[in-house]
Formats: sequence, structure tokens, C-alpha cells
Amino acid sequence: GAVVSQHPSRVICKSGTSVKIECRSLDFQATTMFWYRQFPKQSLMLMATSNEGSKATYEQGVEKDKFLINHASLTLSTLTVTSAHPEDSSFYICSARDFGGTQETQYFGPGTRLLVL
Amino acid sequence: SQKIEQNSEALNIQEGKTATLTCNYTNYSPAYLQWYRQDPGRGPVFLLLIRENEKEKRKERLKVTFDTTLKQSLFHITASQPADSATYLCALDFSGGYNKLIFGAGTRLAVHP
Repeated sequence: GAVVSQHPSRVICKSGTSVKIECRSLDFQATTMFWYRQFPKQSLMLMATSNEGSKATYEQGVEKDKFLINHASLTLSTLTVTSAHPEDSSFYICSARDFGGTQETQYFGPGTRLLVL
Repeated sequence: SQKIEQNSEALNIQEGKTATLTCNYTNYSPAYLQWYRQDPGRGPVFLLLIRENEKEKRKERLKVTFDTTLKQSLFHITASQPADSATYLCALDFSGGYNKLIFGAGTRLAVHP
């Protein structure tokens, strides 16, 4: 099946620094990627939709200036958490929609664990 | 607003039995519903998709039903194995086809040998 990778798998940073998370579709092209956040024992919450070649669309309550998304190519989207604070510590997961597959199919990455000290 | 409910309590069953998980939703009529498996510290893995015009769908030991009148989906794992132990999430696209999924909180399944 289709594979989506994320890098890094886990990151620890100091409060106030910025962290970049990469999401790659390894064997298919993804015109659309999604970024989710999951707090412990809670469900995945959609943060934003990343569209190749255009601006990301953010869900209500998600600060676009804090969570910068760049969908630079058909296989890569990046999420940058700017000026991270301890409350940003969470599990960040991306998913990608296969351009050549069924419309509804999304493939999820393994997630990135962010800990802000 | 749209809401998805899954049984938040863990489901403990004996190996070989059938596990049945429930997903209820409100305030929407989705075109399809999806089930995912999530292991601790990992991203979700797609299992099955069922459309509004399908009553039932099967894949190996998995079976999903979709009752649009009750606004409910049931997810069954037959002949369960300890390796089936995980959290199972249901997800719906409330965005009218833009694939913006809303997930339930998930039900944790533990299959005991």
C-alpha cells in the first residue's frame, strides 16, 4: 500500500524555538495533505489542509501564523511550529490523499512526537 | 455541530470471540464512513470504507455495517487475536467530499489469550 513518512519521529525543543516537521508521500503523488494533532487519550483533530502550489486552509481555532504549512511539491508538505510553547507539545500526524487513487483514500504518516520544554 | 461518539471504555474480549465496536454520529448525513486502527505512538492505518448506499462491507475477518437511519456504524472483528489489540477509530467526512475527516475518540480493544 501507499506509504507516507514523517521526519523527525520525535523532537524535543526549548520554548520559543521553531520546529519543522516533514511529511512525504513515498510512492505516490499527493496534491492534498492534511495535518492533524492528537493529545494524549484524545482523538485526532484536523489542523489544516495543505494544497500543492497554493495556500493551506486552516481549521477554526488554528493559528496560521503559528503553524506554517508549505506544500512545496507533490510529495512533500512541511509544518513549522513557530515559537513553540509547552502547550504545543503533542503528537502531530500528517496524511496524504493519493492523486491517482480513490477520492476518499488517505494514508497516514507514523506521526511526530513534539515535546516543548 | 457534528458529533461522533465511540464507546470510550476499553473493550476486553477473549481470543477467538467476535469484537463489536460502535460508532454513532449526529447532525450530518455523510456519504461514507471509515474505520482505522491506531497502535500506541503510531499514525492511524486505514481498514475499511463503507458508503451510504452500502449496508455491509467485509474484508477478511473484518465486517462493517452502516445504518444511515440510526446514524450508526458497527465494526466487527471475528475470530479475534491478541494482535488485534489496538485502538479503533471511526471517521467521517463532514466537508461534503473534501476529505476533511473528523475522528471519533476511538475504542481501545484488548484481546486476551
